[in-house]
Amino acid sequence: QQQVKQSPQSLIVQKGGISIINCAYENTAFDYFPWYQQFPGKGPALLIAIRPDVSEKKEGRFTISFNKSAKQFSLHIMDSQPGDSATYFCAASNTDKLIFGTGTRLQVFP
Amino acid sequence: NAGVTQTPKFQVLKTGQSMTLQCAQDMNHNSMYWYRQDPGMGLRLIYYSASEGTTDKGEVPNGYNVSRLNKREFSLRLESAAPSQTSVYFCASSDIWDYNQPQHFGDGTRLSIL
Repeated sequence: QQQVKQSPQSLIVQKGGISIINCAYENTAFDYFPWYQQFPGKGPALLIAIRPDVSEKKEGRFTISFNKSAKQFSLHIMDSQPGDSATYFCAASNTDKLIFGTGTRLQVFP
Repeated sequence: NAGVTQTPKFQVLKTGQSMTLQCAQDMNHNSMYWYRQDPGMGLRLIYYSASEGTTDKGEVPNGYNVSRLNKREFSLRLESAAPSQTSVYFCASSDIWDYNQPQHFGDGTRLSIL
C-alpha cells in the first residue's frame, strides 16, 4: 500500500549543484508533508516540512515546492555539499501516522 | 538529553528464536512507533501506540507483538524469528497533540536472522 511515490531512487550531484527529489501522493486528505534526512547508521531526522496552504517553503539551502493540483511535492537542495550526502525520505500525513516514500540516496561529490 | 534510545544496536538470531527490542524516550511524548527499514521499501510502520495502554497495528504487523510498558517505554517482540524479518528496526516518538510536530527517531537496531 504505497501512497507516497518517491523518485529517483538514487542521485549523484556535483558539489555546488542542485539536487531535486520528487514525491507524489494519492490521498487528498493529507495535509502535512515533511522531509526526513538520514545519515548512515543513524535514524531519520526532520529536515523541513510544508502544509498545503503554501506553494513553497525555504530554509537555508533547502526548499520544498508543493503543487496541490498535481498532488506532487519536491525537495530542492541548492549549492549541494558533500555533507548533504544522505538518504532523504518524503512523507505525508493527516493523522499522527506518517506515510513514508521509499527514499532517495543522494551522493554529492567534490 | 538522550531523546529516543534503542537497545540492542545489533543482534543476530537463528530462525525460530525469540527476541524483544527495547525503546525508551525521555521527551514525555504520548505517541510511539515501531518501523522497519528495508532497501527500496522505505520506512514501514509495524505498530504504534497513541498513549500508555493503547497499541494499534500498522502496515506490516504480522510476526510482531508490542507492549507499551509505560509512557516512556515501547517494546517490540519477535516470538519466532524468520529470515524475512531481517531488517533495521527504528523506534520513534512524537507529541500526539500536534501531528505536525516531528517524529524523533532512535538510531535503530540492526537485526539479522539466519
